[in-house]
Amino acid sequence: GQNIDQPTEMTATEGAIVQINCTYQTSGFNGLFWYQQHAGEAPTFLSYNVLDGLEEKGRFSSFLSRSKGYSYLLLKELQMKDSASYLCVPMDSNYQLIWGAGTKLIIKP
Amino acid sequence: NAGVTQTPKFRVLKTGQSMTLLCAQDMNHEYMYWYRQDPGMGLRLIHYSVGEGTTAKGEVPDGYNVSRLKKQNFLLGLESAAPSQTSVYFCASSYLLQVTGELFFGEGSRLTVL
Repeated sequence: GQNIDQPTEMTATEGAIVQINCTYQTSGFNGLFWYQQHAGEAPTFLSYNVLDGLEEKGRFSSFLSRSKGYSYLLLKELQMKDSASYLCVPMDSNYQLIWGAGTKLIIKP
Repeated sequence: NAGVTQTPKFRVLKTGQSMTLLCAQDMNHEYMYWYRQDPGMGLRLIHYSVGEGTTAKGEVPDGYNVSRLKKQNFLLGLESAAPSQTSVYFCASSYLLQVTGELFFGEGSRLTVL
């Protein structure tokens, strides 16, 4: 079956760094997305990794290891507005997105 | 630039009533999707479309119908609403995901079925 494993909830301090890990099992693989979803809002796109390695975009970076079925999202210089759910979304061989419940990140002052 | 617009944003129905949710996008995207999201759960794909005049079933299509008569519009219909269809519905559109990697979402439509 297809499966995503992320922590349900994480807590971090404003100004700090946090890493949200994701392991996945899919029928084939065509890339992995990270989305941010604030409570009561729609998801918004953060990153898309197809090849192994680190992609950096401002305060956010995403890493992928296809052989390990592993990805992480790194958030630096945390701000209160970063309190949200972070969704790790792999795409399978049929280009279908596999959505889990994500990781709820709570930022404390 | 409106992006993806969903109407209505909120609706309360009685069991057995019918309704249609409208999704409109102004980005000339070929691909459009309808998802539902229940509390504490991930998005589940209801139906999707890869172009004008085409539709396909997703993960949870039962109880829903869709139409894509115009490229910019994707309609989701509930013929006989049930309490199990109480949810938040999100429409999204995209180019080829494997090329651009990004889904553009509407703000969501919150449906309650009594």
